[in-house]
Amino acid sequence: RKEVEQDPGPFNVPEGATVAFNCTYSNSASQSFFWYRQDCRKEPKLLMSVYSSGNEDGRFTAQLNRASQYISLLIRDSKLSDSATYLCVPGFGSARQLTFGSGTQLTVLP
Amino acid sequence: NAGVTQTPKFQVLKTGQSMTLQCAQDMNHNSMYWYRQDPGMGLRLIYYSASEGTTDKGEVPNGYNVSRLNKREFSLRLESAAPSQTSVYFCASSERWDSPLHFGNGTRLTVT
Repeated sequence: RKEVEQDPGPFNVPEGATVAFNCTYSNSASQSFFWYRQDCRKEPKLLMSVYSSGNEDGRFTAQLNRASQYISLLIRDSKLSDSATYLCVPGFGSARQLTFGSGTQLTVLP
Repeated sequence: NAGVTQTPKFQVLKTGQSMTLQCAQDMNHNSMYWYRQDPGMGLRLIYYSASEGTTDKGEVPNGYNVSRLNKREFSLRLESAAPSQTSVYFCASSERWDSPLHFGNGTRLTVT
């Protein structure tokens, strides 16, 4: 099993839709979780950190399910500007263990 | 507030040439990292420095060397470039290993 698995998509959704991505991780000792967004050929930018069961920031909600070892990202009322690749990063133990998923591509359509 | 600054932004090398990618952060972060990203793939860790004075190999260290010059600066050197090293290179920093990463704008390297 890969350390981090994400549905690559692409997810094509209309503006205003709600969309959710899942990210599964293999190491049960993972303690911190991050969602980054990456626009085409640009650097990843932090979207959200999750250290406990979940986190919410405006239209974005992250939920952590430790029993099933996945973390989800929910985007409500999608905007065109949400179009990007979303990267899941669980971490534990040391810097070496920060593992990036290959990302889920989202396109919000007008 | 510059954050993480990488130079150069673009570079074309011939096979066998050497070069150093520079990275500096002004956030007083302890940890710094070098990643590469190939088309359609996730970021892969090349080397990291958990704190000033230490460096460690990541997932794909072969063909690279690093120097943590001081707390601010972490450079990546390609001694003899190969076409397989054509990639986008990102430098990042974080306060600790379990803190969010802050990325530089990236260096787009082509080796012919």
